[in-house]
Amino acid sequence: DAGVIQSPRHEVTEMGQEVTLRCKPISGHNSLFWYRQTMMRGLELLIYFNNNVPIDDSGMPEDRFSAKMPNASFSTLKIQPSEPRDSAVYFCASSFKSRGSLLAGLNTGELFFGEGSRLTVL
Amino acid sequence: GDSVTQMEGPVTLSEEAFLTINCTYTATGYPSLFWYVQYPGEGLQLLLKATKADDKGSNKGFEATYRKETTSFHLEKGSVQVSDSAVYFCALKRNYGQNFVFGPGTRLSVLP
Repeated sequence: DAGVIQSPRHEVTEMGQEVTLRCKPISGHNSLFWYRQTMMRGLELLIYFNNNVPIDDSGMPEDRFSAKMPNASFSTLKIQPSEPRDSAVYFCASSFKSRGSLLAGLNTGELFFGEGSRLTVL
Repeated sequence: GDSVTQMEGPVTLSEEAFLTINCTYTATGYPSLFWYVQYPGEGLQLLLKATKADDKGSNKGFEATYRKETTSFHLEKGSVQVSDSAVYFCALKRNYGQNFVFGPGTRLSVLP
């Protein structure tokens, strides 16, 4: 399996520009997560989807951030307009959660991470 | 809410030294526990996991035991190598939800 694929790996842009980060989860996975990692704040969950539906977006910092998952194999995280404080590494991760996991036994549903997109906003 | 606490780094060791990175958690119920490792310039990778009390996860010489009585999941390795230099994250996941809770990470540097 190719794993979680993110693009671009590196992005340098100027303040005010729109940034779009892309993610292809592992085939068959039904949950997708966007994280942001900075030295100051560590790893922060921004949003996650189950079966393409946003479940928890409480970590999205503000209205400048938006995320979509139009189908099971693709998601985007958009920042418009970008600001220097958005500079960070953005990770996408996917996992599989089976239905009826409470009855079927424990389902650890571990996360598989992409290699990240390093964003620098000047 | 649920939380994970890890010992603060950075941790610097000489090659072949014994490693312990402490991790404690706060959660309701019986979460699954994980250790993830992040090598420079890469994403997080699952290192090991445990799903119930007294389970021991192990991989690549690393071990951690799920201790419910002390709500801990300490990571250990008997003899570290330079290639183990990385950031290590402890995490939990409730079995009825999908959200992971990560600790702040502990940076390990192993010197030759």
